Amino acid sequence: DQQVKQNSPSLSVQEGRISILNCDYTNSMFDYFLWYKKYPAEGPTFLISISSIKDKNEDGRFTVFLNKSAKHLSLHIVPSQPGDSAVYFCAAREGGSEKLVFGKGTKLTVNP
Amino acid sequence: DVKVTQSSRYLVKRTGEKVFLECVQDMDHENMFWYRQDPGLGLRLIYFSYDVKMKEKGDIPEGYSVSREKKERFSLILESASTNQTSMYLCASSPTLRALRYEQYFGPGTRLTVT
Repeated sequence: DQQVKQNSPSLSVQEGRISILNCDYTNSMFDYFLWYKKYPAEGPTFLISISSIKDKNEDGRFTVFLNKSAKHLSLHIVPSQPGDSAVYFCAAREGGSEKLVFGKGTKLTVNP
Repeated sequence: DVKVTQSSRYLVKRTGEKVFLECVQDMDHENMFWYRQDPGLGLRLIYFSYDVKMKEKGDIPEGYSVSREKKERFSLILESASTNQTSMYLCASSPTLRALRYEQYFGPGTRLTVT
């Protein structure tokens, strides 16, 4: 049973526009959420995170929004750049656990 | 700078061989993880270690074992490689919960092909 779902396997946007990547979760015990970015043949790199006590966290062009009532989070990238083309993984941590639960990923393509 | 290294970027092995994948981190992290990544399936946890000589099964431990004799090193062992273990293997580390930081840091991955 998937606890973290990324329902869009792929997303294509134009350079300079906004990219919105979505993630839904089912476990109400999750208290921390992370986004990772992965290029082909490389390991994932940490991008941005948010605690469940917040509803927004911003870091440069990247903003993560959390809607706890809907069990939904999203990553906004503004403006999108061709170098943002990668697979993005959403991950969540259950309170007290050392482990993360990952979604299946969304492949973002930013077209010049 | 955070560093997780994996012994090989690419590996080709034959069915039935015993395979060792090595991972080393230089961040003095307590936790280390082994994942595999397959298209359409995301990252799946194979094994996890929260201390030297301690290990815990992840979601897909069958066909794998692990070893952690030193804090900085975590090995994944395929006792008898099979073709369905062809995959990208990713090692990660993270500090203990007491650090109040939950990010995991990943190595570059090992692309294993079993023929």
